[in-house]
Amino acid sequence: ELVLTQSPGTLPLSPGERATLSCRASQTVSSNYLAWYQQKPGQAPRLLIYGASSRATGIPVRFSGSGSGTDFTLTISRLEPEDFAVYYCQQYSRPPATFGQGTKVEFK
Amino acid sequence: VQLVESGGGLVKPGGSLRLSCAASGFTFSDYYMSWIRQTPGKGLEWLSYISGTTGYTTYAESVKGRFTISRDNGRNLVYLQMNSLRAEDTAVYYCVRRVLGWFDPWGQGTLVTVSS
Repeated sequence: ELVLTQSPGTLPLSPGERATLSCRASQTVSSNYLAWYQQKPGQAPRLLIYGASSRATGIPVRFSGSGSGTDFTLTISRLEPEDFAVYYCQQYSRPPATFGQGTKVEFK
Repeated sequence: VQLVESGGGLVKPGGSLRLSCAASGFTFSDYYMSWIRQTPGKGLEWLSYISGTTGYTTYAESVKGRFTISRDNGRNLVYLQMNSLRAEDTAVYYCVRRVLGWFDPWGQGTLVTVSS
């Protein structure tokens, strides 16, 4: 099973700041088959990014994904109050699909 | 596009439960459908998917032989039959549409609690 490790576990930031979230894979994620999701309390996860860097429909341009191989990054250029949430990466390169443990972006 | 789960609840260890998911807003038979669960301890765990029309299914090792996914394309429904439930199956269960490997959208989730 391909293991995804996200860091940091918690990221304390203020609105307007830049958030950089990391997702590292235990094996190469081929064809950049990596997605990112946002989850707010009491809600289901929401797709943000697929294919490592393609924004899903309706996702603001302040969200961007990058990376390849085993190292991937989700960047939020300027945090809005509604962006404080938990973020998960997910690989679909090797079955079974697996998720990282999440990074919580919280108010500093 | 909307997915609405139902059927969660409290069940005793060894018991059974069937989750349902009603899909709307897209051509249901065009898509694989999956179930994913979430617990505070293990996080997000993919459980199973079923193909759009052929009925091909696959399962996570943790539920293989106990859970069965099925679908009714005429009624836009997908099911998860859960048998031999264990305490560690306690989780929020999400119905999700699988799109080329990623999952979008997700239902609101239904809580399954396995406890005596």
